[in-house]
Amino acid sequence: KNEVEQSPQNLTAQEGEFITINCSYSVGISALHWLQQHPGGGIVSLFMLSSGKKKHGRLIATINIQEKHSSLHITASHPRDSAVYICAVALLNYGGSQGNLIFGKGTKLSVKP
Amino acid sequence: NAGVTQTPKFQVLKTGQSMTLQCAQDMNHNSMYWYRQDPGMGLRLIYYSASEGTTDKGEVPNGYNVSRLNKREFSLRLESAAPSQTSVYFCASRFVGTAGELFFGEGSRLTVL
Repeated sequence: KNEVEQSPQNLTAQEGEFITINCSYSVGISALHWLQQHPGGGIVSLFMLSSGKKKHGRLIATINIQEKHSSLHITASHPRDSAVYICAVALLNYGGSQGNLIFGKGTKLSVKP
Repeated sequence: NAGVTQTPKFQVLKTGQSMTLQCAQDMNHNSMYWYRQDPGMGLRLIYYSASEGTTDKGEVPNGYNVSRLNKREFSLRLESAAPSQTSVYFCASRFVGTAGELFFGEGSRLTVL
């Protein structure tokens, strides 16, 4: 079982739709990161969360530490939001060959005009 | 601009050639990482450095060596490149502590013929 699970793997939406991407994890963490990668592009950090909720523009990220679950929401989606969204958890301690970060496999979002 | 600087952005090598990928950060981060990203595989950790003077193997270290030259710089060396090392490489850094946002370099696309 993967220690970080993202769902869905792929998501197609119409412009303007509200989008939710989920991340569940099974390990103790110090923080959770949401990352964005456009096709052929670099990886950008969107949020770092250790509790509660953060908002930046049309993006909202929440985390429930007790349930070991985080969500990334995009309101009023736009074609430029099309990207892969990656959840990564920062472990409390270094975990051998994982270092101290475990990544989900990503959610590929495509927003159609 | 502050951040993670990674060079070169593109490189083509012949099998057996050697090269070094350079990474530098100016954010006084203690932890630095090298990942490779292959289609369908997500990010896989090659090596990491928890702090200046230490390096540890990640999930896929074979064929690579690293040097944490100082707190700023973490280089990745391919001593004898193989076609299986064709990939996109990302350097990342973060401060392992209360404000540990994760930063990535722009990536280095390596092709080994």
